[in-house]
Amino acid sequence: EPEVTQTPSHQVTQMGQEVILRCVPISNHLYFYWYRQILGQKVEFLVSFYNNEISEKSEIFDDQFSVERPDGSNFTLKIRSTKLEDSAMYFCASNGGIGTDTQYFGPGTRLTVL
Amino acid sequence: GESVGLHLPTLSVQEGDNSIINCAYSNSASDYFIWYKQESGKGPQFIIDIRSNMDKRQGQRVTVLLNKTVKHLSLQIAATQPGDSAVYFCAENKRDTGRRALTFGSGTRLQVQP
Repeated sequence: EPEVTQTPSHQVTQMGQEVILRCVPISNHLYFYWYRQILGQKVEFLVSFYNNEISEKSEIFDDQFSVERPDGSNFTLKIRSTKLEDSAMYFCASNGGIGTDTQYFGPGTRLTVL
Repeated sequence: GESVGLHLPTLSVQEGDNSIINCAYSNSASDYFIWYKQESGKGPQFIIDIRSNMDKRQGQRVTVLLNKTVKHLSLQIAATQPGDSAVYFCAENKRDTGRRALTFGSGTRLQVQP
């Protein structure tokens, strides 16, 4: 069964450093998303991406964040200058498109900012 | 673990019993609802969804009920098994605006006692 994959599973970084979180969405999907979950809290939407551009973003997704689809399979989330409060699980999700609303989530990357 | 920062309501059931997990959603305009299961250290796993033109939908051992009048969603799990132990989240969105971001509820922890 196809699934969303994410790397790395755990990323530790120093405050102020840049990190790139990587995702490989399900291959025939058209819409891609990033969500985050601070430890013990609810899952929060960050950004959605379609047709090589951001289609929607939340207030959390400020200028420190960016997304990119550098090739036909990868989808990345970059945080330019990490802050302590960026520590969270980051989930990538994808869905097929119009008429197929189900978003399938990857296993997540745990980001720890020291 | 996952309980830090937010006290999750917990439902404890005996193996073999039926479980009912409830969710109150906030946006009366939402027209698509999903239940996700999240096991420790993993990403949300799709269980079942329902559109606002329905009030009940059944899957394998699971049933989702939607009451739009009181903005209430429930997930029923028949013959609960130890493998059902997880945190369950409801999520919603309003598709006809083109918005795809999911808004997640705060979750319920299901504990299945053998």
